[in-house]
This record gives sequence, C-alpha cells and structure tokens, in this order.
Amino acid sequence: KAGVTQTPRYLIKTRGQQVTLSCSPISGHRSVSWYQQTPGQGLQFLFEYFSETQRNKGNFPGRFSGRQFSNSRSEMNVSTLELGDSALYLCASSLTTMNTEAFFGQGTRLTVV
Amino acid sequence: TQLLEQSPQFLSIQEGENLTVYCNSSSVFSSLQWYRQEPGEGPVLLVTVVTGGEVKKLKRLTFQFGDARKDSSLHITAAQPGDTGLYLCAVTDSWGKLQFGAGTQVVVTP
Repeated sequence: KAGVTQTPRYLIKTRGQQVTLSCSPISGHRSVSWYQQTPGQGLQFLFEYFSETQRNKGNFPGRFSGRQFSNSRSEMNVSTLELGDSALYLCASSLTTMNTEAFFGQGTRLTVV
Repeated sequence: TQLLEQSPQFLSIQEGENLTVYCNSSSVFSSLQWYRQEPGEGPVLLVTVVTGGEVKKLKRLTFQFGDARKDSSLHITAAQPGDTGLYLCAVTDSWGKLQFGAGTQVVVTP
C-alpha cells in the first residue's frame, strides 16, 4: 500500500511569491492534516481537512490556506511568502478525524530567499 | 505554553548504553503516541498507549503511560546508531488536533 506522497520535495521561492504544496494521502484515508516544522518552533499544526471540509485550523495567518479534493488529495497554499515561512511542511493522513494514528509524508522543504 | 513538555531536549550516548526520554503534561489524555523522525523524513509512528499504567515493548524500546495519563516515558535498552533520531510525543487535544511536543534529539555514536 503506497504511503503519503508529498510534492515537490524541495522548493526555493522569493519573498512575496506564492507557493502550492500537494499531498496524496494513503488510499482510503479521508483526513489530511498539515504541519509546519522549524528548528525553533517544532511541529506546528496548520489545518486539517476531512471530506473536503476544513475541520480544524491552527494559529497561522490567513496567508496560509488549504483545500481537499473529492479524492482526498490536499493542497496547501502560502501567499506573499516571508523569510520566516522557510520550513519543512509535513502532511499526514489518517482514517478518522481524531488523528489517533497519523501517517506522515516525507515533507516539502521550502526555502524563501 | 506547550501542551506537552519533552525532556531532555538533546541526548548523546554511546552505543550499548541505555536512555530514557520523558513527555509530561498537566492535562489528562485518552491516549498518547510516540513518533521517531529521521533527518529529511516525516515522523513515523512507533506506538500508541491508551491505558493508565500501560507498558508496551517494541524490541529494545519500552513505552510507559503514567497511571494518571498525564505523562509518558520511552526507554531504549542497549542503544544502537540506528536509534538516532528525533523522538516526538503527541496527543489529540480537546479540539481533535494532533499536537506534538518539541521532541528529544537522540544521537547514538558507535
């Protein structure tokens, strides 16, 4: 069974640009969560989608947004990039909405210059 | 304020030694998970503990959930270089969000 797939693996963007990251969950998983990981803040919850609806949102500015498609694939978008947005962005999928067992992708390493 | 406090932040030991890392909170949880993350990879789930006082073993790793379900520990016996990684504990909060501790970075040198 294929795991969680995130694309791209690496990305370099300039301040002010926008970026879209993609996540394909494990087949049959309907919940997808996104996290930002930085050395100083650790893993910070961004948002969770279940059946195309945003179910939970973390404490991030409105520049961070996401969506989920009918096939459970998810995308997250960051607009007007700032240097501080440089991080590893991780996607996790799980069967249920309670995220009792989350399976992570390898992440997308975003560098903003 | 972090929901979960992990200690120590960093641990460096020689191969063959034992180590214990801790995950503490002032809140009670119905379950707690431990993950290991290697450089350049996403976290991988190691175990979920659900019952107060529960002890689970995974080869040389022993996980314990506190009686009051507020804390947990991970003990590694005879550590090997392959045990190197960031160990993270996580719980589902009252809003259904999976929240992580800051992690303990473990380095095992040959």
